[in-house]
Amino acid sequence: AAGVIQSPRHLIKEKRETATLKCYPIPRHDTVYWYQQGPGQDPQFLISFYEKMQSDKGSIPDRFSAQQFSDYHSELNMSSLELGDSALYFCASSPQPNQPQHFGDGTRLSIL
Amino acid sequence: AQSVTQLGSHVSVSEGALVLLRCNYSSSVPPYLFWYVQYPNQGLQLLLKYTSAATLVKGINGFEAEFKKSETSFHLTKPSAHMSDAAEYFCAVSEISGNTPLVFGKGTRLSVIA
Repeated sequence: AAGVIQSPRHLIKEKRETATLKCYPIPRHDTVYWYQQGPGQDPQFLISFYEKMQSDKGSIPDRFSAQQFSDYHSELNMSSLELGDSALYFCASSPQPNQPQHFGDGTRLSIL
Repeated sequence: AQSVTQLGSHVSVSEGALVLLRCNYSSSVPPYLFWYVQYPNQGLQLLLKYTSAATLVKGINGFEAEFKKSETSFHLTKPSAHMSDAAEYFCAVSEISGNTPLVFGKGTRLSVIA
């Protein structure tokens, strides 16, 4: 079965650079969530989209923005990167309200 | 606001022994509850979910969990541990209504000793 696809799997950036993470949800899933998992930490919710509109917002820094496109894929744009942004970034999708979220394998972002 | 507390950041069991991972939740509205497993360098895989139907939920890989409203608990169990069960386990809660995000516990690392 198709799963959530995230790209790239690994990304290395330097401070103050920008990064774009991509998420391709499971086909016919219209809801996308982004989570950040720091080293040894639990995942923290950043932002979500439903039918291409932002549906909820968590602890996402102002330096980050995201959107969901007409084909339902989503991108997380990160600017002015800081050392503390080093983390595993997960995307999850669900087919409709109240359905479990299915996670991708994540993008590991390392800031040097 | 919702929250999840996982008791024990690290649990170690012998192969073949009972696995018990504890999770207590706090929610002002009826919750949905989930257990996810994370293997090293991998994403989160759904083990099982409670969505207000049966209180005893069976999941994949022989795991099950029981929702106890009176104790606000959703502990994860498996009768006999296997070496392949060694991983990080996260309990999570969300609201019943709408596409609400998951709130995770801090996770419990399960080690299985041969």
